[in-house]
Amino acid sequence: DVKVTQSSRYLVKRTGEKVFLECVQDMDHENMFWYRQDPGLGLRLIYFSYDVKMKEKGDIPEGYSVSREKKERFSLILESASTNQTSMYLCASRRRLPYEQYFGPGTRLTVT
Amino acid sequence: DQQVKQNSPSLSVQEGRISILNCDYTNSMFDYFLWYKKYPAEGPTFLISISSIKDKNEDGRFTVFLNKSAKHLSLHIVPSQPGDSAVYFCAASATRSGGSNYKLTFGKGTLLTVNP
Repeated sequence: DVKVTQSSRYLVKRTGEKVFLECVQDMDHENMFWYRQDPGLGLRLIYFSYDVKMKEKGDIPEGYSVSREKKERFSLILESASTNQTSMYLCASRRRLPYEQYFGPGTRLTVT
Repeated sequence: DQQVKQNSPSLSVQEGRISILNCDYTNSMFDYFLWYKKYPAEGPTFLISISSIKDKNEDGRFTVFLNKSAKHLSLHIVPSQPGDSAVYFCAASATRSGGSNYKLTFGKGTLLTVNP
């Protein structure tokens, strides 16, 4: 079974703090993704990485950066957290083919 | 511009009956479609997918139908069970679109409630 793990299930941070969200997959998947899920907005893609050290902006990259130094690990960074970044953050991974993405359990981030 | 639309935010059905979840898309480049199920406080779980070369794909109680001319797909769950109660997301991919083929575009989701 594919396993995607995220470093925290719940996180509370203050405005202006630097926040790191870590994601690890154990299935040697090439592609990894970061989404946020908000009520009424569905899942929106923040960034994705199609290979180690490669990254591309998704639909809502503003205020975020990412790092992928190793194949199994993909980090999402909030340089200066703001209250509008309070959300559920979901990491996913997949092989190049097939196209199904496998998701981690999510991190509920609250910025106060 | 919402390229994948799930126009029903919620659906309620009786246990044992059929649940039909609908999804429409606007991007004619989409050629691969997926359904995910999501319980509260968990990540989405892949359910079933369909390629545009097919019009139906079946997996146990779950069947996905694709109508390319109408740019419409639906997920049928028969029979519905209380454990099926969750948010269902439709997603689409343009697999022949070069750099974009990594991406899934998701709908906003439909909350299915199956009543005992």
